[in-house]
Amino acid sequence: DTAVSQTPKYLVTQMGNDKSIKCEQNLGHDTMYWYKQDSKKFLKIMFSYNNKELIINETVPNRFSPKSPDKAHLNLHINSLELGDSAVYFCASRQEGLANTGELFFGEGSRLTVL
Amino acid sequence: AQTVTQSQPEMSVQEAETVTLSCTYDTSESDYYLFWYKQPPSRQMILVIRQEAYKQQNATENRFSVNFQKAAKSFSLKISDSQLGDAAMYFCAYFSNAGNMLTFGGGTRLMVKP
Repeated sequence: DTAVSQTPKYLVTQMGNDKSIKCEQNLGHDTMYWYKQDSKKFLKIMFSYNNKELIINETVPNRFSPKSPDKAHLNLHINSLELGDSAVYFCASRQEGLANTGELFFGEGSRLTVL
Repeated sequence: AQTVTQSQPEMSVQEAETVTLSCTYDTSESDYYLFWYKQPPSRQMILVIRQEAYKQQNATENRFSVNFQKAAKSFSLKISDSQLGDAAMYFCAYFSNAGNMLTFGGGTRLMVKP
């Protein structure tokens, strides 16, 4: 069973389109994240949710909107896609409380290519 | 804000040899965790090893071990008996409960020569 799953794994689209990436975790974790990995492999936090509430919102264009319908899901919607949005987007989750070890569990990543 | 620095963009090692990847970090916090993640070409992020800052003993996982120098804010990864499957990007990362997120270094690409 996949612990953190993202769909789609690959996405190719035209500039100006709107697209979504879905993420689900079956680990029972309380906190979920979106990270962006650029072409130079640098990983940067975008958003974090804890029990459906936004707790981290880094400097990200407001074309990016996360949505958490429940604590097991954190989706990423991107409006008016630009060439610079091409990247690999990683979803991750982490357990809070006494079980917290700081470790993030990552999905397989979604490679977005904007043409 | 915390920063994590990996000063070696690329490293290479001969199969069966030992290699050390460097990592330094900057923080004013005393309670935190440090990690090394491996990212092979499949792009999956795989946890290699974890170190709690309050533990003085260096973490070890089979062929992987760390040299954690808290005062120097240094956290290097040693890979012994390198194997072809160790070839990947390696990321050093920092987590604190106060920050609630993982901050990554820029990564080191490790090549293993047969």
